[in-house]
Amino acid sequence: ETGVTQSPTHLIKTRGQQVTLRCSSQSGHNTVSWYQQALGQGPQFIFQYYREEENGRGNFPPRFSGLQFPNYSSELNVNALELDDSALYLCASSLTNSGGGAFFGQGTRLTVV
Amino acid sequence: QKEVEQNSGPLSVPEGAIASLNCTYSDRGSQSFFWYRQYSGKSPELIMSIYSNGDKEDGRFTAQLNKASQYVSLLIRDSQPSDSATYLCAVSGAPASKLTFGTGTRLQVTL
Repeated sequence: ETGVTQSPTHLIKTRGQQVTLRCSSQSGHNTVSWYQQALGQGPQFIFQYYREEENGRGNFPPRFSGLQFPNYSSELNVNALELDDSALYLCASSLTNSGGGAFFGQGTRLTVV
Repeated sequence: QKEVEQNSGPLSVPEGAIASLNCTYSDRGSQSFFWYRQYSGKSPELIMSIYSNGDKEDGRFTAQLNKASQYVSLLIRDSQPSDSATYLCAVSGAPASKLTFGTGTRLQVTL
């Protein structure tokens, strides 16, 4: 158990809808990153939040957006869902400048139909 | 060229043998290197981190780093069936910065 919790664990949405995924980071960790993992692939970096500000973004369109709250929890929002957005969405928490690696939550399996 | 490359496998080793997993990366500025284990349907679990050239041992696991060759490896001694999983290599440029993952190597430990 990493102490990183995500909700919901599974979700089915229709193409064109919007979705919000949530993440509570491990106690003491101030940095949250989101990753998308398609079947058979490694996780792909979406973006990272530190002190409530976006601190790096991967090659994802603007319809992927996020928030970090003062308690370091975070949300990932995806608008105008597409079939290719079906994937495992992973939240990872870490401590900036610690170099100790990132710890993942259990993930949210999103299916877009 | 992919940023982090791994052989997708499957790598099949008998129980009790040494499993050797390899990874190469393209960004010479990479500073931190990680191995994650991912069971089917689960999220990645951090098992090893390494930051300087050489070997780092933790129980049955040994991570090896060669920055000149841009090469990272993971050795699993006395492999057990419970080690059967996909092993993901990840690199980052700075502490707590984004991780770039390979596609993973699927390991099968046979009885």
